[in-house]
Amino acid sequence: DTGVSQNPRHKITKRGQNVTFRCDPISEHNRLYWYRQTLGQGPEFLTYFQNEAQLEKSRLLSDRFSAERPKGSFSTLEIQRTEQGDSAMYLCASSLLRDSYNEQFFGPGTRLTVL
Amino acid sequence: AQKVTQAQTEISVVEKEDVTLDCVYETRDTTYYLFWYKQPPSGELVFLIRRNSFDEQNEISGRYSWNFQKSTSSFNFTITASQVVDSAVYFCALSEAGYTGANSKLTFGKGITLSVRP
Repeated sequence: DTGVSQNPRHKITKRGQNVTFRCDPISEHNRLYWYRQTLGQGPEFLTYFQNEAQLEKSRLLSDRFSAERPKGSFSTLEIQRTEQGDSAMYLCASSLLRDSYNEQFFGPGTRLTVL
Repeated sequence: AQKVTQAQTEISVVEKEDVTLDCVYETRDTTYYLFWYKQPPSGELVFLIRRNSFDEQNEISGRYSWNFQKSTSSFNFTITASQVVDSAVYFCALSEAGYTGANSKLTFGKGITLSVRP
């Protein structure tokens, strides 16, 4: 399978716990994006990387959220001290930046439920 | 700030009917990109089409067609002869050109849930 993969697919945690999600982009894609999707809404941008560099972070990304892409390949998104409002689908997308086309391919998402 | 409005929330049609999904966008940039994505019940977003702001040609791909009108800031999507497999949530999205001139982060509308009944 050469698509974007995300693990775990589902995560149930108790309020106050820390969680970490992983995203493996399509091989050789240099851009990687994180989005959050709540029920009945469209995905909302959280942050993105170009290679190892984190180029932009949304205001949605509170100080409890941190994302890394240490070697420019896979990325992790960590949420500390989870709150019930963090319950959502976390989507990862990757793209290959070349000329003006930068089509984003999405993974299946990680569904987080905070009890 | 950029914004995408999908005023329709739910549409239900009978198989073989044509259906149009509306999308209106707001942006201050002169260079931007518009997209449509499909999200079937399985949840994974599937890319359907990309348009840049300089290309107002309408496009047809099989039963799908897109009408881009800069004058009304709209990028509407029509499915001809709808099928049950078209049932999904459809998202319109906008991206402004970054310093590279390429599209970057996507701003999505709230989505339109399309139900096609046999």
